[in-house]
This record gives sequence, structure tokens and C-alpha cells, in this order.
Amino acid sequence: DQQVKQNSPSLSVQEGRISILNCDYTNSMFDYFLWYKKYPAEGPTFLISISSIKDKNEDGRFTVFLNKSAKHLSLHIVPSQPGDSAVYFCAASEDGGSQGNLIFGKGTKLSVKP
Amino acid sequence: DVKVTQSSRYLVKRTGEKVFLECVQDMDHENMFWYRQDPGLGLRLIYFSYDVKMKEKGDIPEGYSVSREKKERFSLILESASTNQTSMYLCASSSTLLTGWDTEAFFGQGTRLTVV
Repeated sequence: DQQVKQNSPSLSVQEGRISILNCDYTNSMFDYFLWYKKYPAEGPTFLISISSIKDKNEDGRFTVFLNKSAKHLSLHIVPSQPGDSAVYFCAASEDGGSQGNLIFGKGTKLSVKP
Repeated sequence: DVKVTQSSRYLVKRTGEKVFLECVQDMDHENMFWYRQDPGLGLRLIYFSYDVKMKEKGDIPEGYSVSREKKERFSLILESASTNQTSMYLCASSSTLLTGWDTEAFFGQGTRLTVV
């Protein structure tokens, strides 16, 4: 059974608008969440993270929101740019990530159209 | 800059061959991981290691083995390659911190393996 779910395989957004990527998890022991971005033929690169003691973390155009009661997190990209087109993976871990073992979702392919 | 280097970007191997995928990191990280990425399935953990000579099975270890003789190097071995092991293989490393926060994993560039 999947512990980290990204139910939208793809998302298309117009340049300049907001992109919202969603992620749900089932394991209540998860307390550290990350978003990775992946371009074709490259390894994923870390984008932003949030610990369970927070409900929001912001870094430039990227904001991650965490709703622990709903076991849901989302990544907001504002404004979206064509260079943001990539696959975005949500990941989660227990123990604040101290064991380093991340559980990934299946990814959402974001296309930002000029 | 953290660097995780995978020895090959592209590999083509024949069914039944023994295949070695090598990964080296230069940040003295304790943890190293091997994932495979397939369309519609995301990143699935094959094996991970949290110390030299230590290894743990991930979600899909069947058909694979690993070796961690040195801290900086983590090898993935396909004992007898099969066509269903055609995939993108990604190595990652991370540090084990006391607090644990901000412990992201750093990935290599990936190895696209095709088994024919």
C-alpha cells in the first residue's frame, strides 16, 4: 500500500499563474516532508522541505503547506515559469529524516505553458 | 557542493549478464540509497545502507544486491540482468544528523540501463 500518494500524474498551468501540486500520506509517523524536482535524464534535486512542527515553509516562489490532521501537503509555485516544467516528487520520512530513508510518491508532471 | 556521481549515464546489457552500477559521494554521508524510477511508479527504493558493510532491503530488492565496502561508495549489482530491470537507476546519499531536520538526500544524475 502506498504511504505517499500524488494522485495527479500531470498538471498544466499557464505561465505567471499559480501551480499547486498535492500530496497525501497515510503514515502518521511521518514528520518530515520534502519536495524534489526532476528534469528528464537528470537526478532529482531537492526543492523545499517542511517539518511537522510547522504548517508552512516558504522559499522564494515556492511554498509548502502541511495539514497534519488531513495528512496532506501541497506545493505552491507562484508565479509559475516555463523552466518549472518538470516532474515533482513528494517524499516523507520518520524521525525527522534522521535515518535518511525517504518514501516517495509517484510524481506529478508539471507543464508550464508560455 | 555535494556531489553524488554515478559511473555511467547509459548502459546496455544482455539478459543474464552480471551488471555493476557504481555510486560515489564526496560529502562523508553515512546513508546511501539505490532507487529505480519507472513511468507511473515513481521512485522505488531497492536497497539502502546506513554504514559501511551495512545494508537494508528497500521495497523491491529482488534480483539485486549491494555492496558498501567504503563509506563513499555504494554499488548496486544485478546478479543476472533481465529485461524487466530496464529502468533509470538513481543513487542518493544523506547525512544522519542529531536533530534530523533539513536532512535532504542528494541524488546522482542517474543511470539509464537497458537490458536486451
